[in-house]
Amino acid sequence: NAGVTQTPKFRVLKTGQSMTLLCAQDMNHEYMYWYRQDPGMGLRLIHYSVGEGTTAKGEVPDGYNVSRLKKQNFLLGLESAAPSQTSVYFCASTQRGTTANTGELFFGEGSRLTVL
Amino acid sequence: RKEVEQDPGPFNVPEGATVAFNCTYSNSASQSFFWYRQDCRKEPKLLMSVYSSGNEDGRFTAQLNRASQYISLLIRDSKLSDSATYLCVVNGADRGSTLGRLYFGRGTQLTVWP
Repeated sequence: NAGVTQTPKFRVLKTGQSMTLLCAQDMNHEYMYWYRQDPGMGLRLIHYSVGEGTTAKGEVPDGYNVSRLKKQNFLLGLESAAPSQTSVYFCASTQRGTTANTGELFFGEGSRLTVL
Repeated sequence: RKEVEQDPGPFNVPEGATVAFNCTYSNSASQSFFWYRQDCRKEPKLLMSVYSSGNEDGRFTAQLNRASQYISLLIRDSKLSDSATYLCVVNGADRGSTLGRLYFGRGTQLTVWP
């Protein structure tokens, strides 16, 4: 079972370059999320999507864009990478929204991005 | 003020010890609470949900105190394999939205030594 798959797993960028992280899930989940994790900061929500064609901002959206053209895919884009975006990025999905009757969040293995 | 506060530790305990982690949250409207476990350089995985009446799963016991906005995780008879970072996670019931976000604490690091 693939679950949630992120590509690439590692990437080194120079300041100003652009890139896209791809998240794919095969569980037919409605909700998908992008988090970043930095030492001592915990997981912070960048953007999320409640369904195909919809996206919304999280806690730290600046410098990132997302798209959810297909239900199974959630793309995270960096238009002009900055050193402050050096981080580990996690994609997650769940069947239901994170409300009172929430389900479990399933995470990808993470993508380690370094911006020089 | 952060939505979820945790003692970062680290906690270093011998095998067989009992260890407790605490977590406080700021949004009194939060309705869902969880403990996730994250191994070094791995993704977080759900350890257990936390229910109002408290719940137990083997050696793990979770407690919720809504009045104090406080969550705890107790691990009994610690094993070497329990070494990990434990993340307190709270639903943030956003105003005007049915989609509450999940807020993660910074995590508490546990090392169990032989």
